[in-house]
Amino acid sequence: KNEVEQSPQNLTAQEGEFITINCSYSVGISALHWLQQHPGGGIVSLFMLSSGKKKHGRLIATINIQEKHSSLHITASHPRDSAVYICAVRSPDMRFGAGTRLTVKP
Amino acid sequence: DSGVTQTPKHLITATGQRVTLRCSPRSGDLSVYWYQQSLDQGLQFLIQYYNGEERAKGNILERFSAQQFPDLHSELNLSSLELGDSALYFCASSTGTSEYNEQFFGPGTRLTVL
Repeated sequence: KNEVEQSPQNLTAQEGEFITINCSYSVGISALHWLQQHPGGGIVSLFMLSSGKKKHGRLIATINIQEKHSSLHITASHPRDSAVYICAVRSPDMRFGAGTRLTVKP
Repeated sequence: DSGVTQTPKHLITATGQRVTLRCSPRSGDLSVYWYQQSLDQGLQFLIQYYNGEERAKGNILERFSAQQFPDLHSELNLSSLELGDSALYFCASSTGTSEYNEQFFGPGTRLTVL
């Protein structure tokens, strides 16, 4: 079993839909990261969380330390949100989930 | 643009060869991390340097080595290349060594071993 599990693996949504991507981890962590990888391969850090909730524009990330679970929400999804979203935890090195491939159709 | 640069963008080479990947961190960042992303293994942490010193080691093969120079740029050396070494290699930088420091990723180097 992987230390960092993401679901779903693939997600297709219509423009405007509310999207949730889940991440569960089985190790002790100091921080959790949500990363976005564009089709060209580049990786952008979206959030770093150690507790609670963070919001940036249409993106919201939450973490429940007791449950060892985090969610990434995208409100009013848009085709430009199409990317692979990767959950990573610091334990103490960075350990990565397999990613969720999101496709948003117009 | 994260401010982290990597060269080259693409590299095609043959089995048994040796290559060097280069990374320049964001201005002011002292930590450099190297990661490998392959189709079968996903993203994996390889090694971290802080201000010229090795700080942490992950799943780095003995055929691979890295170093960070006084100007803080870093190089990842891959030798005796095998087909399975074909992957995207990313470096990332952060200001310090704290696990709470955000990491900024470079655009990656795509290595193809034929």
